[in-house]
Amino acid sequence: SVLTQPPSASGTPGQRVTISCSGSSSNIGRGVLNWYQQLPGTAPKLIIFNTSQRPAGVPERFSASTSGTSASLAIGGLHSEDEADYYCATWDDSLNAVLFGGGTKLTVL
Amino acid sequence: QVQLVESGGGVVQPGGSLRLSCSASGFVFSSFGMHWVRQAPGKGLEWVAVTSSDGNNQKHADSVKGRFAISSDSSTNTIYLQMNSLRPDDTAVYYCAKGYGAFWALENWGQGTLVTVSS
Repeated sequence: SVLTQPPSASGTPGQRVTISCSGSSSNIGRGVLNWYQQLPGTAPKLIIFNTSQRPAGVPERFSASTSGTSASLAIGGLHSEDEADYYCATWDDSLNAVLFGGGTKLTVL
Repeated sequence: QVQLVESGGGVVQPGGSLRLSCSASGFVFSSFGMHWVRQAPGKGLEWVAVTSSDGNNQKHADSVKGRFAISSDSSTNTIYLQMNSLRPDDTAVYYCAKGYGAFWALENWGQGTLVTVSS
């Protein structure tokens, strides 16, 4: 994937975990990035839009930021129900397409 | 509340065609862009196509360009994905999703419909 994520991450309940997403000037470098959570067997859910904003109903312990062509999603106070796949995504000006990262499988130990 | 319901999936032979539908409700259809996103079994998400809120502009991923076509019908609040020349690697769950603002965010998703391309 043009947007690069680690394939896996893990943490114990209550811990803070971060998931990275690396891209380029034509995508993350544009300054807008979105994050999705996909629980097992369900459709994806938007959890962060416009880099750092949370839709209504998404807990405050989900936060995100970007710096240049990299971004990160942080989940504070990990819950067992946070175990899911997480995807970063944005528009790419060069490819003229929406790009998704390869996804990170978060395991709550 | 926003509801997106996909239909039209099924089993099709390589080289065949299929048309997916996504019925939308709970929002002003003509105000939002609409997307198709797919997910192959055990794989990640892949964006497929988008149609603008007025239905006049469409973009498609390179992997489906020339074979798939997204369209919309504002009279029935429905978007479609016409899929031609299907290949085994098109096998996936296809989701429709409602766009949000200028952020290229996909705010709401349907439950998905499975397309299997196999002989």
